Order: sequence, then structure tokens, then C-alpha cells
Amino acid sequence: NAGVTQTPKFRVLKTGQSMTLLCAQDMNHEYMYWYRQDPGMGLRLIHYSVGEGTTAKGEVPDGYNVSRLKKQNFLLGLESAAPSQTSVYFCASSYSMLAGTDTQYFGPGTRLTVL
Amino acid sequence: GQQVMQIPQYQHVQEGEDFTTYCNSSTTLSNIQWYKQRPGGHPVFLIQLVKSGEVKKQKRLTFQFGEAKKNSSLHITATQTTDVGTYFCALFTGGGNKLTFGTGTQLKVEL
Repeated sequence: NAGVTQTPKFRVLKTGQSMTLLCAQDMNHEYMYWYRQDPGMGLRLIHYSVGEGTTAKGEVPDGYNVSRLKKQNFLLGLESAAPSQTSVYFCASSYSMLAGTDTQYFGPGTRLTVL
Repeated sequence: GQQVMQIPQYQHVQEGEDFTTYCNSSTTLSNIQWYKQRPGGHPVFLIQLVKSGEVKKQKRLTFQFGEAKKNSSLHITATQTTDVGTYFCALFTGGGNKLTFGTGTQLKVEL
């Protein structure tokens, strides 16, 4: 099993450009998450999904959109990138048999720089 | 929403010294998780604590959950260079198994 994979690993964008980050998991997990990590800020939840076809906002959703068309994939989109979106983005997934108890498995991260 | 404070933010130790990081919540927690992130890596689950006063050990790592379930600690005995990284506590908030992460404690171990 590959676990959770993310594409791309690195990306540099100019202000105003758009891009999509892809997250894939092969563990048949129901729940998937997108986080951003900034120095001294820990991980902050951007959006999450509790199943195929569903998405919900997290703590810092502005400027991002997501889609979960297939159970194994969770896409994060930036329509018009801004320097404030320079960060490391992590995708995670969890099986979630019982609410409030599940382990999250993280992908390797995408390092995004917006100039 | 729930907030979690993690202290200290940084810790430098000599190899062989002990290390402790603390996680404090403003509200009573149902449970708490701990993750480790190596430099340049991604967070990896270490353990989950559920019961009041619970203590769990993983080799040189000891995890405790406070009696009031408002705080938790991670203690490493006799640190090694392999312990280098950032340690995060995380607590469940709301539906969807959402986690709120602490700001983390960055541990550096010097030879």
C-alpha cells in the first residue's frame, strides 16, 4: 500500500495563478482532510470530506476550494494564488468507524511558494 | 472553539537528557492524540489517550492524560538524536473527526 500520496511535491506560482493539489489514498478511508502548516502555527484545517461527494469547511477555508468526486481522491484548488498562501500543504485520511477516536494518516506534503 | 496551548515552543537538550512537552486545553477533552513530525517530514501518529489519569509508555516515551482531562504530557527519557522533530498534541473538535493541533514543541538533540 502506498498510503497517502500527494502531487506535486513542490510548486512555485505567481500571484493570481491557479493550481490544483491532488491527494490520493489507497486505504479505503472515508474521511479526508487538507491542512496547511506555517512556522509556529501548527497545522490548520482548510477543508475536509466525510465521504465521496461531500466537502465541508475547516478553520481556514478562504481562498481554497475542494472536490471529492472519488472516494480515494481529494483535490485542493487555489483559483487565484496569493503570497499569503505560501505554505506546506498536507493531506490526511482516516477510517472513522467511531467518531472522535480515529487516527489520521498524513501524506508527504506539498511545498507551495507564491511569488 | 476549543483551543490548545502547547509548551515549550522549542527545546534544546544534550543527548541523554530528558525532555517533556505539555499540552493544555481550556475545556475538558474526550481524548487526545500525539503526533511526531521529523524535520522535512509529515506528522505521524504516536498514541491516543482516552481515560482520566491514563499513562501509556512506548519504550522511552511516556504519555499522560490529566485527571481532569484538560492537559496531557509527553516525556522522553534519555533523549537520542532519533528523537529530533516536532511533537504535536491534537484533540477532536466537532464532527467529521476533525482534529485541532497544538502549535507543537520542536525538539533538538545535541551530541
